[in-house]
Amino acid sequence: EIVMTQSPATLSVSPGERATLSCRASQSVSSSLAWYQQKPGQAPRLLIYGASTRAIGIPARFSGSGSGTEFTLSISSLQSEDFAVYYCQQYNNWPRTFGQGTKVEIK
Amino acid sequence: QVQLVQSGAEVKKPGASVRVSCKASGYTFTNYDINWVRQAPGQGLEWMGLINTYNGNTNSAQKLQGRVTMTTDTSTSTAYMELRSLRSDDTAVYYCARGVLADYFDYWGQGTLVTVSS
Repeated sequence: EIVMTQSPATLSVSPGERATLSCRASQSVSSSLAWYQQKPGQAPRLLIYGASTRAIGIPARFSGSGSGTEFTLSISSLQSEDFAVYYCQQYNNWPRTFGQGTKVEIK
Repeated sequence: QVQLVQSGAEVKKPGASVRVSCKASGYTFTNYDINWVRQAPGQGLEWMGLINTYNGNTNSAQKLQGRVTMTTDTSTSTAYMELRSLRSDDTAVYYCARGVLADYFDYWGQGTLVTVSS
């Protein structure tokens, strides 16, 4: 099973600042990597797939990069609605696995 | 618009079984997989398995094999997940999610809280 490790666990950022979240895979997942956003009491929402392709309706301030074992989700200028937990997920191997999440909180 | 609407919350005793439903609308049901993902209180996301809605083939996480069954009723565009021999650590919110080419999940249900308690 591929282990996905996200860092940091919590990221404190001021509105308007840039946030950079990391996700590392225990072995290569090529570009088979998705990012999700989850707010309290809500289901996750797909942000990015294929490591760097934004899902339908996702603002351009969200961008993904990386391949192999190292991936990054960047949020260029944090808006109030962006404070949430973010998960990465690999779909290169079975079982599909998620990272443990990064909570982006208001500084 | 694509919607996945799940059944309501359940409270079960240890050893019992639970079945959660997920009714899809807004797209051709058999063109996409349905995945099941659960989230224990305050924890992260755990993929449980998927069902190919076209041919009924399933693939589930090894730790759940033997306890989980995923089925569909294509006549009503509904997917079902049954989990047996429930334990307290099965307490979680269970989500269904539409799978794109058995890869990532582009639409999610609202979640169903299953509480296992004696």
